[in-house]
Amino acid sequence: AQSVTQLGSHVSVSEGALVLLRCNYSSSVPPYLFWYVQYPNQGLQLLLKYTSAATLVKGINGFEAEFKKSETSFHLTKPSAHMSDAAEYFCAVTNQAGTALIFGKGTTLSVSS
Amino acid sequence: DTAVSQTPKYLVTQMGNDKSIKCEQNLGHDTMYWYKQDSKKFLKIMFSYNNKELIINETVPNRFSPKSPDKAHLNLHINSLELGDSAVYFCASSQPTSGLYNEQFFGPGTRLTVL
Repeated sequence: AQSVTQLGSHVSVSEGALVLLRCNYSSSVPPYLFWYVQYPNQGLQLLLKYTSAATLVKGINGFEAEFKKSETSFHLTKPSAHMSDAAEYFCAVTNQAGTALIFGKGTTLSVSS
Repeated sequence: DTAVSQTPKYLVTQMGNDKSIKCEQNLGHDTMYWYKQDSKKFLKIMFSYNNKELIINETVPNRFSPKSPDKAHLNLHINSLELGDSAVYFCASSQPTSGLYNEQFFGPGTRLTVL
């Protein structure tokens, strides 16, 4: 069965510091993986997606993620945090039938000046 | 133009009432979804429709009934509202391609508060 685990429900960084949000997945089939961001009182916006084309995936707003099959991980990084990055981040995997997304519990990113 | 829209954005109602949330997408997608986000921000699939046909119906009380009049619309009707129904409900749409790839586009959410 497909599942996603996001390590750390809350991550705090200083502006300009590296952002690292962790996501590990479990999948019985080759996975399709996604990172979504949710700003306060808004819907979910796709940051980036892994579709088996390349293991290093670049997304919007300077974020990127690397798919590591051996570690079953898909961690999200950004070299330099900005105040506007403060939001909720969700990692997701397509379910086994490809008919829905299974989300992790989310990680709240706080950025301080 | 908003790709996936929901109305209303906020819904405050009393226990026992019946309410509906509407969702429309203008992306030409065949598949639409309802997700529930609880107070801890956990997102879970409720329903999925493909071209007006129910595909997924997770363990959701039968007080919740989705209706898809056409493939661009997926409404959610909730009967006899309970306190535990308070949550944010998200509509989403996608155009699944080959294999299991399924990128979904989300609406802005409807915050339902049951008093």
